[in-house]
Amino acid sequence: AQSVTQLDSHVSVSEGTPVLLRCNYSSSYSPSLFWYVQHPNKGLQLLLKYTSAATLVKGINGFEAEFKKSETSFHLTKPSAHMSDAAEYFCVVRGFEGAQKLVFGQGTRLTINP
Amino acid sequence: DTAVSQTPKYLVTQMGNDKSIKCEQNLGHDTMYWYKQDSKKFLKIMFSYNNKELIINETVPNRFSPKSPDKAHLNLHINSLELGDSAVYFCASSPGLEETQYFGPGTRLLVL
Repeated sequence: AQSVTQLDSHVSVSEGTPVLLRCNYSSSYSPSLFWYVQHPNKGLQLLLKYTSAATLVKGINGFEAEFKKSETSFHLTKPSAHMSDAAEYFCVVRGFEGAQKLVFGQGTRLTINP
Repeated sequence: DTAVSQTPKYLVTQMGNDKSIKCEQNLGHDTMYWYKQDSKKFLKIMFSYNNKELIINETVPNRFSPKSPDKAHLNLHINSLELGDSAVYFCASSPGLEETQYFGPGTRLLVL
């Protein structure tokens, strides 16, 4: 069975500084991994996805994530935070078993300080 | 143009009532889903339909009944609403069974 752990429930950074949101996964198979973002009172938007191609994945709004199989990690980064990045971020895994089923992490709330 | 839309956006109702939430996608996708997000923001899949056929039913009480009249619609009917049903319900769709899912804006249900 697959599972996802987001290591921080809340991350706070200053505008213009780097962002790191951590995610570890567990899967019996080679997983597909995603990051989704949810802005306050909004739906979920796909930021980026990893599906066994390049291990460094670039997404929208300057975000990227690196798949590290040896560490079972898929951390999300951005070089310079913007106020509009304040939102809830979800790391998501989809494995071979029940491949249409997504398993969500607990979410990380990102706060940006001016 | 909205890709995955849900109505209503907000729903406030009394315990014991029956209510429906509608979902429509104009992406031409074959697969649609319902997810529940609880008060702690945790998201869990409830149902999935592929070409109008139910393929995932995740131990959801039978008070919840999804209905897919065609590939572009997946509605969620809830009977005898309970306080614990208060949550945000998200609809999603994907081109096929193993492809990226796109989410609607959510329906915020509050049961009083």
